[in-house]
Amino acid sequence: EAGVTQFPSHSVIEKGQTVTLRCDPISGHDNLYWYRRVMGKEIKFLLHFVKESKQDESGMPNNRFLAERTGGTYSTLKVQPAELEDSGVYFCASSLSSYEQYFGPGTRLTVT
Amino acid sequence: AQSVTQPDIHITVSEGASLELRCNYSYGATPYLFWYVQSPGQGLQLLLKYFSGDTLVQGIKGFEAEFKRSQSSFNLRKPSVHWSDAAEYFCAVTPWGSARQLTFGSGTQLTVLP
Repeated sequence: EAGVTQFPSHSVIEKGQTVTLRCDPISGHDNLYWYRRVMGKEIKFLLHFVKESKQDESGMPNNRFLAERTGGTYSTLKVQPAELEDSGVYFCASSLSSYEQYFGPGTRLTVT
Repeated sequence: AQSVTQPDIHITVSEGASLELRCNYSYGATPYLFWYVQSPGQGLQLLLKYFSGDTLVQGIKGFEAEFKRSQSSFNLRKPSVHWSDAAEYFCAVTPWGSARQLTFGSGTQLTVLP
C-alpha cells in the first residue's frame, strides 16, 4: 500500500510568487490534514478535511493560503502571494476514522 | 489551550546506552498521546500511541513509553540505543475521542555517538 505522497519535495520561489503544494493521501482515507513547521518552531496544524469538506481550518495563517480537496481525494495548498515568513516544511497527513495519522515526507518551501 | 512540552532540544547518547525523552502535556482531560520520529529526509513515522488501558505501551523499533497521569507525562524510553535511532522525536496529543488535529511538542534531536 502506497503511503502519503507530497509534491514537490522542495520548492524555491521569490517573494510575491505563487506556489501550489500537492498531497495524495493513502487510498480510502477520508481525513486529510495539513501541517507546517517553520524553522526552529513546532509543527503547527493548518487545516483538516473530511472527504472534500473543510472540517477545521482554524490554523490557516491568513487568506494568502487556500486549500482544496477535489472529490475527496488529493489536496492542494496554494500560497499566493508568498511571503518570506511562509518558508518552512509543509506536511500532509491522512487517516481513517481512527486517530492514527500517517504523514508524508513533507515539502520544503523556501521563499527568497 | 492544550500544549506539549519537550524540555530537551538536543540529547546526545552513546550507542548501546539507554534513552529517555521527556514529554509533558497540558490539557483539561487525558488526551490521546503519540510519539513520532523523523529521520533525515523522511516523513514523520508513528512510534507508538496511548489511548487507554495499560499505561506502559510498546512501539516499533524497541521503543516504549509510559503514561503517568499524575505527572501529565508520556516519556519515551529505549533500553539500548542504536546508531540508526539518530533522528528528531516529536511528542503529540489530540483530544480524547476525536480525529482532530495533533498538537506537537517542539521536538528533541537525538545524536548517537559510536
